[in-house]
Amino acid sequence: GAGVSQSPSNKVTEKGKDVELRCDPISGHTALYWYRQSLGQGLEFLIYFQGNSAPDKSGLPSDRFSAERTGGSVSTLTIQRTQQEDSAVYLCASSLVRGMNQPQHFGDGTRLSIL
Amino acid sequence: GQQLNQSPQSMFIQEGEDVSMNCTSSSIFNTWLWYKQDPGEGPVLLIALYKAGELTSNGRLTAQFGITRKDSFLNISASIPSDVGIYFCAGQRKYGGSQGNLIFGKGTKLSVKP
Repeated sequence: GAGVSQSPSNKVTEKGKDVELRCDPISGHTALYWYRQSLGQGLEFLIYFQGNSAPDKSGLPSDRFSAERTGGSVSTLTIQRTQQEDSAVYLCASSLVRGMNQPQHFGDGTRLSIL
Repeated sequence: GQQLNQSPQSMFIQEGEDVSMNCTSSSIFNTWLWYKQDPGEGPVLLIALYKAGELTSNGRLTAQFGITRKDSFLNISASIPSDVGIYFCAGQRKYGGSQGNLIFGKGTKLSVKP
């Protein structure tokens, strides 16, 4: 597609359930990033992928969070045993390659609400 | 996580007014970026700055990369109603533990003056 696509756009789930969020980057972009945006806050880095590998997972808040990327394209962010503090907008971005002069282009995010 | 200090947090604009916002940091960045986010959408890149002292324009938007590499500002001239939204600054470092990652400010929310 023309831009970064994320699904679902909204997800409401009960505390304790697992959720999977999907990101489809811009075609040909090798670098993919996940961010979390809590209400009224800026974006918080979670993890990035170069190809299928994740050299930097430093932003994942706990071991309940994991992500994978297959085929150098689609990525899935999984949150296990969700907690109410996990409620946020999860944004995905991609860039042609990872680098200082490579702008990141964002999807519209998945708004996650934990009841 | 670490964030940039962005100000003001919010401001009201009247059509035709000029608007200014800025971001500061206690440490150096190698790249500064400015994004705009509309409700329910992801941030959209407005301007990217790659060199200290650089002044770049994009239509009515002008942004500068501070000479100390610790700050940046964004100006919007002759504001129009569609300028409302949340503006984020973001910085990137070439070296260090957070190398290459975008570090964001908390945003400046622009609203129309009642």
